[in-house]
Amino acid sequence: QVQLQQSGPGLVKPAQTLSLTCAISGDSVSSNSAAWNWIRQSPSRGLEWLGRTFYRSKWYNEYADSVKSRITINPDTSKNQFSLQLNSVTPEDTAVYYCAREQSDSSGWYGPDYWGQGTLVTVSS
Amino acid sequence: DVVMTQSPLSLPVTLGQPASISCRSSQSLVHSDGNTYLNWFHQRPGQSPRRLIYKVSNRDSGVPDRFSGSGSGTDFTLKISRVEAEDVGVYYCMQGTHWSWTFGQGTKVEIK
Repeated sequence: QVQLQQSGPGLVKPAQTLSLTCAISGDSVSSNSAAWNWIRQSPSRGLEWLGRTFYRSKWYNEYADSVKSRITINPDTSKNQFSLQLNSVTPEDTAVYYCAREQSDSSGWYGPDYWGQGTLVTVSS
Repeated sequence: DVVMTQSPLSLPVTLGQPASISCRSSQSLVHSDGNTYLNWFHQRPGQSPRRLIYKVSNRDSGVPDRFSGSGSGTDFTLKISRVEAEDVGVYYCMQGTHWSWTFGQGTKVEIK
């Protein structure tokens, strides 16, 4: 059974960096059939995919255009986890942030199946 | 980005009665590999989304068979054959065919 455990602060000041970590159990961040995603949810923007990291003989990162200039997602193979950093945050970045596993194989893409518990991050001074 | 439009946004239902949610995409969701990457999720208050359906009509393990997905191209439907109390919450469609993933705005199902 795959489990994703999120950690990180729930309050970030404007212009600072939002940092969250997602610890993986039951799978590997280096899996050749998984990708590791961050998704956020807010009343104003709904569910919004932010980006992902995955390993296919080498590491790849892909980011949504809406946050591309401010986001970094990094794998940590030593701890079997991955992280999200979002720079220069504003109150509009206030949301519940989720990590999620995505699967694919020779039959195609299956989308996110396992999700973390969610972290409410409030951007406020 | 592909826009996903769900209807209705609110769906009051009677226990034991059927329910149907529509999801329309602004572009065809048929991928160049021949698959159609349309998923359905259910989210209860205070919980993370749970995937119910992948690739239009495939139920996830543990999902009751009263849930079914159908559709093609740009028009998709999630049906609940007989609504039970545990089915309340918000349902989302999501596409993975076009870069980047996008979600519908959600349909809130509640018991009358």
